[in-house]
Formats: sequence, structure tokens, C-alpha cells
Amino acid sequence: ETGVTQSPTHLIKTRGQQVTLRCSSQSGHNTVSWYQQALGQGPQFIFQYYREEENGRGNFPPRFSGLQFPNYSSELNVNALELDDSALYLCASSLWGLGRGSYEQYFGPGTRLTVT
Amino acid sequence: AQKITQTQPGMFVQEKEAVTLDCTYDTSDQSYGLFWYKQPSSGEMIFLIYQGSYDEQNATEGRYSLNFQKARKSANLVISASQLGDSAMYFCAMTTYSSASKIIFGSGTRLSIRP
Repeated sequence: ETGVTQSPTHLIKTRGQQVTLRCSSQSGHNTVSWYQQALGQGPQFIFQYYREEENGRGNFPPRFSGLQFPNYSSELNVNALELDDSALYLCASSLWGLGRGSYEQYFGPGTRLTVT
Repeated sequence: AQKITQTQPGMFVQEKEAVTLDCTYDTSDQSYGLFWYKQPSSGEMIFLIYQGSYDEQNATEGRYSLNFQKARKSANLVISASQLGDSAMYFCAMTTYSSASKIIFGSGTRLSIRP
């Protein structure tokens, strides 16, 4: 069974730039969620994708956007980067549709983004 | 609105002792799930244990057990016989039937095990 993978591991960007983070979900999973974890805080839900469509969104501005591909992998795009976007970005995959909802989410190792 | 509260920013425990990490939650949903994640310094969130709101028995997974007190809205994690490898951040989290697409996390407790 293949686990959740994310790339890149670390990234440094300049304020105002755009960034794309990638996530490959666990084998057999059809749902991907993205979280932002600032230093010293718990993760905050950004959005979730199910069957290539957004299926719920947290309190994040539109410059945070995403995609899910037919193979269930996903991208998180952030435009016009701000210093406060510096954080660990976590991707989690799950299998929606068997009555359990999304509670069994399996997380990847994360991408640490630094905005200078 | 849903909320998770963890009031212990950090804890130190002697190896082999049991430890309880506190968690209280707030939701108006009748159907919800509570769980705990462990986050080592590497950053990956590791799922530990799950408790459904309608589960009558407290959840157990090896050395982990969840002390679920529904009336008090608490879901404390108990780790028996702590080990050095248990040193990490621990997050209590919740998902509800009405917002099942997202997990709400608490602010975490940093657990340090002393040899």
C-alpha cells in the first residue's frame, strides 16, 4: 500500500510570487484535503477535493486554489504570496463513500514553505 | 461552530509512567467523531485513535485509550507505559456530520518523556 507523498519537501519563495504544491494520495483513496499549519499551531483546513471538485472550504482567501486529477492526486496553488503564508502545508487523503465520512484521513509528510 | 480546546501546552512525564492529555470539544451536532493525532518533529501527522459520538465503549488502540465523557464534552487521551518515542506534539481533533469534509484541530500538547 502506497502512502501519501508530497513534493517538494521544502520551498523558499519571495512575497508576491506564486507556488504550487503537489500531493499523491494513498492508493485507493478518492478524496484529498489540504491543511495549513503555522508554527506552534494546529493545522487549519484549507479545502477538500472529491471526484475532482471542491467539497468544502475553510476560511482561506481565493488566492488559495486547488486541483484534483483523475488519478486523485492534487495540487495546491497559492498566488500573491504573503509572509504569513509561511507554514507547513499538509495533504491528507481518505476514502469517501463508505459511510465513514472523511475521519480516516492519512497525512503526508508536508511541504514546508518559507516566504521571505 | 465547532471548537477543540487543549489546555496543556506542554507536559513532562517520566518514562514508563501513564500520561493523560486533556481535550474538550464543543459542537451542536449530535453526530461527530473525535480523534487524536501524533506529530513528531518530522512533521507528519500520525493517526492514533478514533471515537464516534454514538460509540458506547471507550476506544482503545494498543497503549492508547480515549476517555470519552460525552456529558462533559471531553475526550482525553491516555497513554499507558510511556516510552521515549512518545515524545511529540499531540493534537485532539473533531469532524462532524454537518461538516464531514474537514477536521478541526486543537492547538496541541507537546509531550516530553524523560528517561
